[in-house]
Amino acid sequence: DGGITQSPKYLFRKEGQNVTLSCEQNLNHDAMYWYRQDPGQGLRLIYYSQIVNDFQKGDIAEGYSVSREKKESFPLTVTSAQKNPTAFYLCASSRVEAFQPQHFGDGTRLSIL
Amino acid sequence: AQSVSQHNHHVILSEAASLELGCNYSYGGTVNLFWYVQYPGQHLQLLLKYFSGDPLVKGIKGFEAEFIKSKFSFNLRKPSVQWSDTAEYFCAVTTGGFKTIFGAGTRLFVKA
Repeated sequence: DGGITQSPKYLFRKEGQNVTLSCEQNLNHDAMYWYRQDPGQGLRLIYYSQIVNDFQKGDIAEGYSVSREKKESFPLTVTSAQKNPTAFYLCASSRVEAFQPQHFGDGTRLSIL
Repeated sequence: AQSVSQHNHHVILSEAASLELGCNYSYGGTVNLFWYVQYPGQHLQLLLKYFSGDPLVKGIKGFEAEFIKSKFSFNLRKPSVQWSDTAEYFCAVTTGGFKTIFGAGTRLFVKA
């Protein structure tokens, strides 16, 4: 079955460290997205990519970076510049003509030690 | 800035009760509207969407939503809920491009 795989499920980071969250999809979707979810808040868009080697900032991109070297993969790096990184991170994908996320992964929960 | 408000954070219903979850957005232009659902232990998935045309949209599992432009609303309804409808529901809006704005979600618990 096609889908999105996010790893790891849980991630712990020390202050000052960068960490990378993995997102892989086998749906042959061109568009991929990263969202952050905090308790009592909706999903907020961090970055999105419509095509390989191209990505755009979302509403809360500061302190995050991404790459899109392959269609299937869209890793998110949470840098030490992100002041409040503890959150639940969701990766999603869609056909580019859909303009909104169609499939989501299981998410990664990041905590700061 | 555009925003989406879901008025009820938690809703508890008995089976066979009717459901209406409120969703309002703040944007004066053309919008596309969505409801997503996350069942326990499952991925977030699209429940229904509105792009244009008939403002009453039907989705999966007997859900429907009505777009009322004058009220900036897109409320989700189901005439008779089942225990299996227990889930978290998110309203979302796009105003053009790939930036979808989500509401905070409503957790629905249906008592058997």
